[in-house]
Amino acid sequence: DAKTTQPNSMESNEEEPVHLPCNHSTISGTDYIHWYRQLPSQGPEYVIHGLTSNVNNRMASLAIAEDRKSSTLILHRATLRDAAVYYCILRAPTVGGSNYKLTFGKGTLLTVNP
Amino acid sequence: DTEVTQTPKHLVMGMTNKKSLKCEQHMGHRAMYWYKQKAKKPPELMFVYSYEKLSINESVPSRFSPECPNSSLLNLHLHALQPEDSALYLCASSQDKGRSRDEQYFGPGTRLTVT
Repeated sequence: DAKTTQPNSMESNEEEPVHLPCNHSTISGTDYIHWYRQLPSQGPEYVIHGLTSNVNNRMASLAIAEDRKSSTLILHRATLRDAAVYYCILRAPTVGGSNYKLTFGKGTLLTVNP
Repeated sequence: DTEVTQTPKHLVMGMTNKKSLKCEQHMGHRAMYWYKQKAKKPPELMFVYSYEKLSINESVPSRFSPECPNSSLLNLHLHALQPEDSALYLCASSQDKGRSRDEQYFGPGTRLTVT
């Protein structure tokens, strides 16, 4: 599986934008880039995904580099509720089937200061 | 309803006990997953069921036995566990339409302690 590299931790202030980087230099042409987050004492939560173009949804924006070797998750106005571990994951189909697995890396622990 | 429920929330068991974890979803999803998460580590995939058939077993020891009685239910039967099996066990589900962008919905997990 292609690997991702993220900073161990980042800090932000409330109501400011946050840019969470992810490097994935060995990404294959068919890999989607997924972001999940895990709030304290909860299961992971899907945030956003993309393939080549930048994507926006109600939670965040995803900016993908033209060569797809890196991406950035953007939280436009961080709130205290956004404090979580953010995982950047490459979605690779499993061998021989339509299922797939999520391989979580270490993720980035985001701290939001009031 | 976009919820995956897991019971129990907490479980303490001895090494000779047999117990089961239960997971349920009513989103019509056809793929269901078990993950294991140790403290301060990322989740690790254990099993995947697709259309009620075991699709992936990530070389999990046989003391963990998954079961998918129907498309809404997923069980994890536990027997003769070791203290190092203490962890948060997460269940997830997804539509499984063969697209690599299907998102997974996770439950809150069962916190298991093996004494």
